[in-house]
Amino acid sequence: AQRVTQPEKLLSVFKGAPVELKCNYSYSGSPELFWYVQYSRQRLQLLLRHISRESIKGFTADLNKGETSFHLKKPFAQEEDSAMYYCALREQGAQKLVFGQGTRLTINP
Amino acid sequence: NAGVTQTPKFRILKIGQSMTLQCTQDMNHNYMYWYRQDPGMGLKLIYYSVGAGITDKGEVPNGYNVSRSTTEDFPLRLELAAPSQTSVYFCASSSTDFLNTIYFGEGSWLTVV
Repeated sequence: AQRVTQPEKLLSVFKGAPVELKCNYSYSGSPELFWYVQYSRQRLQLLLRHISRESIKGFTADLNKGETSFHLKKPFAQEEDSAMYYCALREQGAQKLVFGQGTRLTINP
Repeated sequence: NAGVTQTPKFRILKIGQSMTLQCTQDMNHNYMYWYRQDPGMGLKLIYYSVGAGITDKGEVPNGYNVSRSTTEDFPLRLELAAPSQTSVYFCASSSTDFLNTIYFGEGSWLTVV
């Protein structure tokens, strides 16, 4: 069975510092990986997906199949980045997502 | 465009009571899901549906029932509520196009006392 692990429940960095939220997965096939974000009092929403290879709000994430990781990175954190971040995996050919435990990111001024 | 709408937003139940969480989407999505989120844990899939009339169990289906009589609606029923069902419940939906992004509702906070 597939599994998604986010080792940090809480992460706190200062504004302007780099931030990296870790995500590791275990899945024997070719997964589709996502990062979802939940800002305060808002619904969970898609931040980015690995197949798009895009940068959203300054965040990027690279799928590393050798290390089975999909870490989320941003070079200069901003206060508005404070939120709950979830890494999620979609099995090849499936629809439903499997989520990690989530990391609460706090950006200090 | 309302997207995915869940009701109620907050509810307190007594042990043994039953209730239904309503979920509706106006995006004509075939796929719908119910997740629960316990404190400090990730979202766990309770039930999902690939279309009207079709439902299937997720990781944690015990104590819940669902139905999908229309494309738009996917209610989640709790029978004989237990304290272990205290959680935040999220309904979601997705299409079958290439991107098939999953869209979430705002969540329903349920406390069983």
